[in-house]
Amino acid sequence: GDSVTQMEGPVTLSEEAFLTINCTYTATGYPSLFWYVQYPGEGLQLLLKATKADDKGSNKGFEATYRKETTSFHLEKGSVQVSDSAVYFCALGHTGGFKTIFGAGTRLFVKA
Amino acid sequence: DAGVTQSPTHLIKTRGQQVTLRCSPKSGHDTVSWYQQALGQGPQFIFQYYEEEERQRGNFPDRFSGHQFPNYSSELNVNALLLGDSALYLCASSHTPTGIGQSPLHFGNGTRLTVT
Repeated sequence: GDSVTQMEGPVTLSEEAFLTINCTYTATGYPSLFWYVQYPGEGLQLLLKATKADDKGSNKGFEATYRKETTSFHLEKGSVQVSDSAVYFCALGHTGGFKTIFGAGTRLFVKA
Repeated sequence: DAGVTQSPTHLIKTRGQQVTLRCSPKSGHDTVSWYQQALGQGPQFIFQYYEEEERQRGNFPDRFSGHQFPNYSSELNVNALLLGDSALYLCASSHTPTGIGQSPLHFGNGTRLTVT
């Protein structure tokens, strides 16, 4: 069945450092790929998405490119801020709705 | 524009009891999904409701049941509670996609269920 694997955390960075959180997936067909973020005490929020191969999703300085050849969707940000501290979830879903499959999440701590 | 709202925010129940959690979807959304998030884990799909029918179900026992009302709001019921049911229960709404790709989910802040 479909699955998502993302790097284990926590990831601890200093402010203005470069961020990469790795995500790979296994799926039939051509799923949509997502990154969601969960701030403390809150539900998940969509951060960015890509619906087909080579698409780049971007939002709030974060980027991820849908790489079908490597089945990856790594999250990157050039300069992290303390306010980016949260748990990041990689996820996939198929056209037509139905379930979204989430990775286990990667906790990011950014130090001032 | 109200987002997804869930109630209650916290709940403490005893083993064997039954619980009902409630969710109102974001305005304009017609699909409601429920997820269970254990501490330190990603959300696990329980089921999805569309047009008042359960459209797909994850790997959860029949003790977990749900309902969707004509106004698209939804309830999650869990019977015969076990200690292992303690988790954050997330409701997510979406609009049934008409184009390419899956519509992203809009989540509520969740209901924290503790079973003692």
